[in-house]
Amino acid sequence: QKEVEQNSGPLSVPEGAIASLNCTYSDRGSQSFFWYRQYSGKSPELIMFIYSNGDKEDGRFTAQLNKASQYVSLLIRDSQPSDSATYLCAVAGGLGTSYDKVIFGPGTSLSVIP
Amino acid sequence: EAQVTQNPRYLITVTGKKLTVTCSQNMNHEYMSWYRQDPGLGLRQIYYSMNVEVTDKGDVPEGYKVSRKEKRNFPLILESPSPNQTSLYFCASSLGEMNTEAFFGQGTRLTVV
Repeated sequence: QKEVEQNSGPLSVPEGAIASLNCTYSDRGSQSFFWYRQYSGKSPELIMFIYSNGDKEDGRFTAQLNKASQYVSLLIRDSQPSDSATYLCAVAGGLGTSYDKVIFGPGTSLSVIP
Repeated sequence: EAQVTQNPRYLITVTGKKLTVTCSQNMNHEYMSWYRQDPGLGLRQIYYSMNVEVTDKGDVPEGYKVSRKEKRNFPLILESPSPNQTSLYFCASSLGEMNTEAFFGQGTRLTVV
């Protein structure tokens, strides 16, 4: 069973701090990696996607991918109360699977304290 | 406005009564998929479709059917619903290339009694 794991949280950080969210995956051949944000009672929305090893920055968000360690992370700089949500890591592709099959992690709940 | 529309938003039904949850997107996306979300289990993919008449199983396809006769529509069919299919369901669509820019519908909360 291919798996995506996330630290369960809840993760609490003070406003203005850096929030670090982590995700590991079991399928070494995975090719595409995504971070979604989901507010309570709402649909997930895509924040970042990353395909290559290294860092990818978009505003206050940085996604980091290390395929050798099978690890992907999301950093949120200058955290705001509006960032309080559940963050879902998703992985697509992989050895022996259809290219577009997506597996989500269970999510990490983030709370930014004013 | 670009959107994925699911209907109904809420549904309570009885065991064994066939139902269909509709999903429609207006972005001409090739890729569409269905997920269920349960507490502690996250989002699990039920079925996905890479184009018209092309569908494939996700991780939890048992008890569900889908069809993709038109690019914009991807209905989820429960032929004989059971209580373990009580869940929050999401439809999503994307351009398809590495599943970027996935847009999710508003969700359908299904209760099977």
